[in-house]
Amino acid sequence: QSVLTQPPSVSGAPGQRVTISCTGSSSNIGAGYNVYWYQQLPGTAPKLLIYDNSNRPSGVPDRFSGSKSGTSASLAITGLQAEDEADYHCQSYDSSLSGWVFGGGTKLTVL
Amino acid sequence: QVQLQQSGPGLVKPSQTLSLTCAISGDSVSSNSAAWNWIRQSPSRGLEWLGRTYYRSKWYNDYALSVKSRITINPDTSKNQFSLQLNSVTPDDTAVYYCARFPAAGPLGGWFDPWGQGTLVIVSS
Repeated sequence: QSVLTQPPSVSGAPGQRVTISCTGSSSNIGAGYNVYWYQQLPGTAPKLLIYDNSNRPSGVPDRFSGSKSGTSASLAITGLQAEDEADYHCQSYDSSLSGWVFGGGTKLTVL
Repeated sequence: QVQLQQSGPGLVKPSQTLSLTCAISGDSVSSNSAAWNWIRQSPSRGLEWLGRTYYRSKWYNDYALSVKSRITINPDTSKNQFSLQLNSVTPDDTAVYYCARFPAAGPLGGWFDPWGQGTLVIVSS
């Protein structure tokens, strides 16, 4: 039971747009803490995809975008490609736990 | 660029101590801006932050409440690395363990980048 809630899976056809939600509470996302997104390809470590809610590190395609509102955040992927098939994790800080928290991860399947 | 290389056993017996090491290249464990973390991942828990060590004129540690009574993270400045010790392990501690750098903290959070390659640790007799 992760502190941040993500759907276990999403899917889409090549070229389509998908979104992945990350729902928190008043002690984490709702308290104003930033949200971060990671992409985890099979058998590898997570890799930073979005930082500070909506910023992309150098090298991340602009097909990936992040947003945050209230106690939730979302990751959107447009123009789906086969190489996007991976697990996606959100992360924030929780003041009641005094530590960093993650979502349970969402498996993206490209049909 | 910064790279993290993990080492340590992949099998630990119940009630014993899990020990892993993370060697740093391209940065310093004594950095005045970064923090050095351990995170684990299991199918039942997902990604779980365990704790960190960092240097700001002196050494500090923070640990997750879920493991606070059993965990120690230590820096080793002579080898530019840091270690994880988790005591009294049970099968529930079976997971892939990652080390990760936290480059800099702002008032609204921060991120983990890069991550080590991961070590699958199985707790079993």
